[in-house]
Amino acid sequence: EVQLVESGGGFVQPGGSLRLSCAASGFTFSSFWMSWVRQAPGKGLEWVANIKQDGSEKNYVDSVKGRFTISSDNAKNSVYLQMNSLRAEDTAVYYCARGTQIFDYWGQGALVTVSS
Amino acid sequence: DIRMTQSPSTLSASVGDRVTITCRASQSISSWLAWYQQKPGKAPNLLIYKTSVLESGVPSRFSGSGSGTEFTLTISSLQPEDFATYYCQQYNSYPWTFGQGTKVEIK
Repeated sequence: EVQLVESGGGFVQPGGSLRLSCAASGFTFSSFWMSWVRQAPGKGLEWVANIKQDGSEKNYVDSVKGRFTISSDNAKNSVYLQMNSLRAEDTAVYYCARGTQIFDYWGQGALVTVSS
Repeated sequence: DIRMTQSPSTLSASVGDRVTITCRASQSISSWLAWYQQKPGKAPNLLIYKTSVLESGVPSRFSGSGSGTEFTLTISSLQPEDFATYYCQQYNSYPWTFGQGTKVEIK
């Protein structure tokens, strides 16, 4: 059974940093691109970033470029999202998802709240 | 960025109704469109990709059509478990973008 489990969410002040982790199981992690998608409270979905299996290609939405970094560790079957210079508008549930363009499996989400 | 616009934003329907949701892209996305269903407090669930290909395990009452800039998701006979919010998503060009969602409510 495919499982994606996010961790690392929490409360942070504007300008702060947080690192999200996503542990994958039930599939060959090294064969798939992985993505992060977020959802602000009561709002719609926003694709944030994705990473190729070997880490050689990464893509980001403009609003997080230069502040967020996606990475992965095939030995640990995990994908990460390092979030720096956080802003109030980054407040959202962050989902880890399997896939490059479409997302067939999702984690349960990690809530990130940015507030003073 | 490609803007995705769904209509309606909210839809009230009864069990057994045929329901259609429209998604329009601000520029052509060929057939690179997916649909997701999301229930409150849960992660989205992939229903359809490449406009009309049903994801494994998704009931056949769901169908998708369209091309270019206009797409539809149809539920042929609404079931109690279908009351949820539906999102379209384009993956023709980065950044991938979603519609604002269509909430299907009980009438």
